[in-house]
Order: sequence, then C-alpha cells, then structure tokens
Amino acid sequence: SQQGEEDPQALSIQEGENATMNCSYKTSINNLQWYRQNSGRGLVHLILIRSNEREKHSGRLRVTLDTSKKSSSLLITASRAADTASYFCATVIYNQGGKLIFGQGTELSVKP
Amino acid sequence: DAGVIQSPRHEVTEMGQEVTLRCKPISGHNSLFWYRQTMMRGLELLIYFNNNVPIDDSGMPEDRFSAKMPNASFSTLKIQPSEPRDSAVYFCASSSSQLSETQYFGPGTRLLVL
Repeated sequence: SQQGEEDPQALSIQEGENATMNCSYKTSINNLQWYRQNSGRGLVHLILIRSNEREKHSGRLRVTLDTSKKSSSLLITASRAADTASYFCATVIYNQGGKLIFGQGTELSVKP
Repeated sequence: DAGVIQSPRHEVTEMGQEVTLRCKPISGHNSLFWYRQTMMRGLELLIYFNNNVPIDDSGMPEDRFSAKMPNASFSTLKIQPSEPRDSAVYFCASSSSQLSETQYFGPGTRLLVL
C-alpha cells in the first residue's frame, strides 16, 4: 500500500475559504514534501518540512507535521480559483536511500 | 534557467513498437528520477540515478523497461516492446545535492500504446 495516503481524495470549496488536506504515512521519515499538479502538467514543489520541524509557512501555505501520529496537513488560506489542482504529499523514508514516495493526492476545486 | 526538459511531449504508438523517452535534467543537478503516473496506480517511481549511476531500479515494471544516463545532461527511458498497459504519463525529475531534497519535474510525456 502507499506510504502516504491523503485525505480527502477530493475537496470542493468557494474562493476565499481555507482548504485543509491531510496526509498519513507508515514508517519513519527524513522529511515530508507537498507538491501541486495542475491538470496536464508536471508536479511543482510547494514546501518541505523536516522530521524535526513541527510547522512551516510559505505565503498562504501552512504545513504541520506530527511524527508521533505520522501525519501532516497542508492548509491553504484564502483560496483562489488558481489553486485548483491536485496536491500530493511525498515522504522521504529514513532507510530507503532518500527516494520520494508519493500519495494518491487530493483533488482540490476552488469555485469562483 | 530552463527547467527539466522532456521529449516527446506526446507519443502514440502501436503495441510491440519500441518507445524511447528523453530527459534533460536541470544543469548542475546530480540526481535524476523517472516516474510513471496512471489513474489506477498514481505516481510511481521507476528508477533513479545519482551522478549518472542507477541507484534503485526496483520500480521498473519488467525487463521491457530500461533506462540509461550516459552523461549528466541526458537520460532515456526505453520500453521494448511496448504494450497497451504501458499507456501513462511519464515524468522525469531532477534534484541537486542529496536525494532527499526538492525534486523538479518536467512536463511529462503522455504515452498511448494502441
């Protein structure tokens, strides 16, 4: 099964609302990353949080990491229609050579 | 600065034909990754290279798939012979320094095998 599992699978909100996506994983990690994928495009890195960090901000993005619960959340505040995309968490597993393992993603739709 | 470049962007071929996908990583990056994305299986890591050397090819589906990185600025993923179940979007990504850092993805090659 996937190392990273995202919840919800799909999320639809109105512009201006906040969007929260969650990611759970199974094994110890070095870091956890969030990526965005617009339809028909490649993935774009959003933010990286290391295993010894608990929270990180980047513009309208806020990421939290709880290693005791093996979970992370991505919060997008004041969402815009342009935020419509799929969002993936990716974990770097501690003893597997540093490769990224991606979850199945959350499909976010922001309606204007 | 150019990002990761992949070619072709789209490929339609018939079952049994050889398919070669190409990737040029970002200059100065020493790690390169090949992924496959499908609706059913999501994003799967096929193989990755560090300093042109294959490190982990455990994700390569079977012997029909092979990847090479002859130099720091070029990699190929070859499927021979191709099958309809290979239809997917194939992404190449690169990263600098350590394997666990940010990866930069190319636009992908959309492959359809008829």
